[in-house]
This record gives sequence, C-alpha cells and structure tokens, in this order.
Amino acid sequence: EVQLVESGGGLVQPGGSLRLSCAASGFTFSSYWMSWVRQAPGKGLEWVANIKQDGSEKYYVDSVKGRFTISRDNAKNSLYLQMNSLRAEDTAVYYCARDSSGYDLKSYYYYMDVWGKGTTVTVSS
Amino acid sequence: SYELTQPPSVSVSPGQTARITCSGDALPKQYAYWYQQKPGQAPVLVIYKDSERPSGIPERFSGSSSGTTVTLTISGVQAEDEADYYCQSADSSGPVVFGGGTKLTVL
Repeated sequence: EVQLVESGGGLVQPGGSLRLSCAASGFTFSSYWMSWVRQAPGKGLEWVANIKQDGSEKYYVDSVKGRFTISRDNAKNSLYLQMNSLRAEDTAVYYCARDSSGYDLKSYYYYMDVWGKGTTVTVSS
Repeated sequence: SYELTQPPSVSVSPGQTARITCSGDALPKQYAYWYQQKPGQAPVLVIYKDSERPSGIPERFSGSSSGTTVTLTISGVQAEDEADYYCQSADSSGPVVFGGGTKLTVL
C-alpha cells in the first residue's frame, strides 16, 4: 500500500525551529518529486516547497524562502522540512505529498497524487 | 507567479449537477487538477490533466477546460460529495499554485 506518514509537528514559540519528517512506503520513493503543502486553520491549501528526485532542485513559496529547507534521504525513503524562525502565520497542518510530473504531447504536468494525513504545527507563545 | 480564482461556495440539491469553476491566465497553457477535501481529512485527487479521472474516483466527477477557465462537474450530486474543492496548476519553473477553494454544500 502506498503510504506517507508525517511526524514532528508540535507547539513551538515564535522564532523557534522544528523539523518535520515524512516516511514513505509502498512505492519507489527516489523516482518522485515530493512536496510539502500546508493548511492554516480554516484556510485553503498552500504549497510550501518541493524537491526533485535527486534533491538537485528545490523550490519554495516566497513566504518561507530563507527560513524553511526541504530535503530528502532516498536511502531512508524520507522527506524532511526544516523550519526556522517560525512565525504565528506558519501555524498549520503540514501535509507531505507525492508528486507526479513530466511532459506529455500537450504540456508539462505536475500534481499531487498521494497525500499523508498531516502533522500539526502551532507557533505560539 | 499567477493566481487561480474559485467561487467561495456552490450549493446544489441531491441528484442535481454541480459545476465549480477555476479561472487563471495561465490555464490555456497549463493543465489543471482538482482535489476534494472533507473536514479533518487530507485532500484527495479527483481530476488530473484537466479531465482525467484517477482510478477509484466515481464517474460522476468530470473536468473540462475552455480558455482561461477550467470546470469541475459533479453529476448526480450525492450527500457524500459535500466537501471543499481546490484547483491547482503548475508550470515547469517549479512553484505550484492552488486556488482558494470552493465549499460545495449539498442542500
């Protein structure tokens, strides 16, 4: 069974740090781009970051650039999100997602076809 | 970057057809995708590449594209379809964009 399980969430003070992990199973982890997507309480989905299969390319939403770092360990089938200088507005459920991407005859495609259940991050004093 | 615009809410009676739109200037050049999210649950992909349906998604879910607007259509809406729906797109430069979401209410 294809599965993604996030961990590492919790309560942290503003300015603090947290490292999220995502354990993948049931598929060849090293063959896929991976993403982190978050959802603030009562709000919509927001893509946070993604990383290429070999880790050579990484992209971030502007609001987390310079504070968050996405990484992966293909030997451990794991995805990570290091979050530093946390702010109240980073409070959210953070989802790990497997991405399907490539080119077909029409266009480039990129979407999330498998999601974890999420881990909650609360930034508050 | 670019934006995707969805109506905040759509209401429909059981058995009727629900249509949820997503507009964006980049959509004529990029595929769109749709996710369903029920309260307290993770999102689920229901449409990919504008109109393709993943295995396990009921046939009543369909997608279409016309110019700068893509549409998720749910035919014969059932009570279990009540959820938030998000469109998403991406270009090859890396960033991914979600629409603001539409709450579908089944009356």
